Formats: sequence, C-alpha cells, structure tokens
Amino acid sequence: ILNVEQSPQSLHVQEGDSTNFTCSFPSSNFYALHWYRWETAKSPEALFVMTLNGDEKKKGRISATLNTKEGYSYLYIKGSQPEDSATYLCASYFGNEKLTFGTGTRLTIIP
Amino acid sequence: NAGVTQTPKFQVLKTGQSMTLQCAQDMNHNSMYWYRQDPGMGLRLIYYSASEGTTDKGEVPNGYNVSRLNKREFSLRLESAAPSQTSVYFCASCIRPYEQYFGPGTRLTVT
Repeated sequence: ILNVEQSPQSLHVQEGDSTNFTCSFPSSNFYALHWYRWETAKSPEALFVMTLNGDEKKKGRISATLNTKEGYSYLYIKGSQPEDSATYLCASYFGNEKLTFGTGTRLTIIP
Repeated sequence: NAGVTQTPKFQVLKTGQSMTLQCAQDMNHNSMYWYRQDPGMGLRLIYYSASEGTTDKGEVPNGYNVSRLNKREFSLRLESAAPSQTSVYFCASCIRPYEQYFGPGTRLTVT
C-alpha cells in the first residue's frame, strides 16, 4: 500500500505570516509529485509538478521543494493573504497509471 | 478550450434509482479518471481509463460502472444508487498520469 501523508491536517495562520506544510511519500518507485490548491466547492487547481530530487518550484508567494531520497516535499507560502485560504493537496505518482493522494492540509488565513 | 467538463453539477436521487455522470475533455488527453470526495477521506479513485477502449478499477469501484465512449468522453454509471454513494464526484484527465486536470465536480445526494 502506497501512503501519502500530509501534515498538519489543518492550520490557522495570521495574515502576513509565512507558513509551510509537508507531504511525505514512500521514496521507492517514486516518479513525480503534484501539488494542488483546492478551494471549497471548486475543483483542485494544479500548482506544481516536481520530478527530480532537489527540485524547487515557485509561483508568486508560493514555492515547493522536493526530496525524493527521504520522501518528502514542503510547500511554503510567504506573507499569507486571505485568498490563500484553501486545502493544499499533494499527490504522488509511482508508475502505476494512478496518482496517490494525501488527505490535504486545510489552511485558514486569519485577517 | 473548456478543459474538463462534467454534467450534471447537482443531482438528487432516491435509493435504487440509476443515473450516469458525464465527463468530457477537449485537451486530447489519453487518460481519464473518476474520483469521489468524502469528508476526511480525500480523493478516492473509482475507475480510470489509461487509453480509449480500456478501463480499470480503482480503490472503490463497487456499485459503479464506466464507459470510455471515445477519447473525449468517460462516463460513470450508478445502476442502483445507495445513500453511501452520496458524495462529490470529480472527473480528471491527463497526458501524463501525474499531471491530472480536474473537472468542476458533480454533487450527488442519494436519499
């Protein structure tokens, strides 16, 4: 069984603060990791796809890193804004035609 | 491009009724997927189709059937709906399995 775990499950952050959360996955047979941003009542929106150990991706105030040897990825948000409130979902691909999803980190930004 | 579209957006069924959820994509993607999302459970794969003419079971296939009608369309059928199938259903498509793009979802209630 391939488990992808995210921590924490939920997080409340003051507006303007920076934050980060973790996605852990089995390092064997790993091909790729995908981060999604998922707002309530909408569909998951693609943020980053990462495949190589040491990958770093950035989009505005959001960035992500990947460590395939130890099996984790971090998502960072710098200077949180209310519009960052969402569930952040990671999914790993192990070469079996399917993504394995974590259960997400629900982020709430407090104005 | 419309991306991935799903119909209907909302549906209420009585126990025992049948219905088909429709999904279409205009991105010329080979692979298509059906997921359900339940509180605290994340996204769970019901069925997927790696290419036109093929379908495979995912994590929770019981009570569902699928048809990959052509490269664009992938439908999900509930033959005899049960309250346990109350959920939000998402369709996704991709060229590479780790870069899936999601439709807007169908919110289904079975009473």
